[in-house]
Amino acid sequence: DQQVKQNSPSLSVQEGRISILNCDYTNSMFDYFLWYKKYPAEGPTFLISISSIKDKNEDGRFTVFLNKSAKHLSLHIVPSQPGDSAVYFCAASANSGYALNFGKGTSLLVTP
Amino acid sequence: DSGVTQTPKHLITATGQRVTLRCSPRSGDLSVYWYQQSLDQGLQFLIQYYNGEERAKGNILERFSAQQFPDLHSELNLSSLELGDSALYFCASSVPGSDTEAFFGQGTRLTVV
Repeated sequence: DQQVKQNSPSLSVQEGRISILNCDYTNSMFDYFLWYKKYPAEGPTFLISISSIKDKNEDGRFTVFLNKSAKHLSLHIVPSQPGDSAVYFCAASANSGYALNFGKGTSLLVTP
Repeated sequence: DSGVTQTPKHLITATGQRVTLRCSPRSGDLSVYWYQQSLDQGLQFLIQYYNGEERAKGNILERFSAQQFPDLHSELNLSSLELGDSALYFCASSVPGSDTEAFFGQGTRLTVV
């Protein structure tokens, strides 16, 4: 049972434009949400997170938005750069310090 | 470099065999998590250890087992291997406390032939 869903397997964006990656979750107990970035042959690397008490968190070019009523979060990358091309995983957890539930990932391609 | 070390990086073995994957967490991290990533799948949570004790179990098969040792390194044992067990196995670690991200190793690619 997939509790975290990323319904877009892939996304292509031009350099300089905004990339928007979406994620939906079904478990209302989730209270901490994260985005990870993964390059081929490497482990996922942490990108940005948000707690359920917030609806927005920003870190440089990356912003995560959380809509708890819709059980939806999104990652905005502005401006997108070719080096951002990677697979992005959305993850969520309930009860701090417990395991993360991951989506299947969205492959982002940023073209020059 | 995340600070999480996994060995070996690649492993090829035959069906029916048993293998052990090893993980050394970041210094100071008490939690260790194991994840499996099969083709076209997300990361499936297998099991979590916290300071030597099992804390949570996910979709881990009975043929698989894990442990965390006093020095906090962890091992994932996979036995009676089947072709479908071929996957990337990731270990992650995190510090104690709330709202903390997990740091992942580079993974072990297991191929069962």
